[in-house]
Amino acid sequence: DAGVIQSPRHEVTEMGQEVTLRCKPISGHDYLFWYRQTMMRGLELLIYFNNNVPIDDSGMPEDRFSAKMPNASFSTLKIQPSEPRDSAVYFCASSLGVVRTNEKLFFGSGTQLSVL
Amino acid sequence: AQKITQTQPGMFVQEKEAVTLDCTYDTSDPSYGLFWYKQPSSGEMIFLIYQGSYDQQNATEGRYSLNFQKARKSANLVISASQLGDSAMYFCAMREGRGGSYIPTFGRGTSLIVHP
Repeated sequence: DAGVIQSPRHEVTEMGQEVTLRCKPISGHDYLFWYRQTMMRGLELLIYFNNNVPIDDSGMPEDRFSAKMPNASFSTLKIQPSEPRDSAVYFCASSLGVVRTNEKLFFGSGTQLSVL
Repeated sequence: AQKITQTQPGMFVQEKEAVTLDCTYDTSDPSYGLFWYKQPSSGEMIFLIYQGSYDQQNATEGRYSLNFQKARKSANLVISASQLGDSAMYFCAMREGRGGSYIPTFGRGTSLIVHP
């Protein structure tokens, strides 16, 4: 398997523009997680899905953020409108399940987002 | 409140020496898992080691070992015989129960620099 695939690798946009980040999890993984990494706050969990259904979006910072998972092999994280404080690295990760404590997370390469 | 605390924002170590990266955690769940991930400058997140809350022995994976002190709620990572390639960010993470699921949360990370 190719692992978790994220695109784009880098995104530079202007304030107010819509940004869409994409993720393809590992085939067979039932759980997909979106994290945001900043120097100040480290890795924050934004939202996670189970079998394409959003389970917990309490980490999504504002209504400007939305995430979807239309099928088992694709998820998007959208920011509309984007703001400079959204600049961060956004990671997608997947795992087989969450019912055991030893379930490893498999991460994508991340998307470095810069909002000017 | 922080679930995972990594108090060392930066650490320096001489090549071939051992180094300990600190991690304390906060949970009331008797069943949980602790992880360490490495993030080199290229950005990807690499799983290093896992320790379950019921494991009697400290986990080891090659040059990595986890000094698990349950009563103190600490899970320090020990890297023996440091190599230049160990220079990276290191994240401690915990999977604790949340409504029957074990969801991972991360600390803010420690930056390790290995000097020749």
